[in-house]
Amino acid sequence: DTGVSQNPRHKITKRGQNVTFRCDPISEHNRLYWYRQTLGQGPEFLTYFQNEAQLEKSRLLSDRFSAERPKGSFSTLEIQRTEQGDSAMYLCASSLADMNTGELFFGEGSRLTVL
Amino acid sequence: SQQGEEDPQALSIQEGENATMNCSYKTSINNLQWYRQNSGRGLVHLILIRSNEREKHSGRLRVTLDTSKKSSSLLITASRAADTASYFCATDGGNFGNEKLTFGTGTRLTIIP
Repeated sequence: DTGVSQNPRHKITKRGQNVTFRCDPISEHNRLYWYRQTLGQGPEFLTYFQNEAQLEKSRLLSDRFSAERPKGSFSTLEIQRTEQGDSAMYLCASSLADMNTGELFFGEGSRLTVL
Repeated sequence: SQQGEEDPQALSIQEGENATMNCSYKTSINNLQWYRQNSGRGLVHLILIRSNEREKHSGRLRVTLDTSKKSSSLLITASRAADTASYFCATDGGNFGNEKLTFGTGTRLTIIP
């Protein structure tokens, strides 16, 4: 499968614990995005990378959230000291910066439940 | 925050009928895209329309854009059960359409066999 891969698909954790999600983009894609989606809502932008550079971060990305893309390939999203309000689906997407179609390719998401 | 709002929030139609969803957005855009999301899955890109275009077709999909009204519509003709999904519009201000995308709240479409 050459699509965007996210792991784990589901994570249940207790409040206050740290969690980390991983995203493996399509191999030739230089852009990688993180979005968060709660039930019944559209995805909300968190951050995006071009290669290893983090180009933009949303105000939604509090200091408990950190995202990295150390070698411009896979990315991790870490949430420290989780809160119940962090429960959501975390979506990763990738693209080529100069793709004329503008299409983002999404993974299946990582669903986080904070108890 | 959500840039766009889709209307209606939910839509149920009989298989074979046409489905129309609308999207309104708040700020100027360069591109508008539509995505589909099956329950509990990731999003799939359907179509992109640029701000200088008024209408675009792809298979059974027809998208219109009215920048003066800051609105777009997605028409799915001859609907099928497999079209059951949530549909989101997404906007951005970049040149290629894949800078930061801001999504709407979505329309949940149910096709009744």
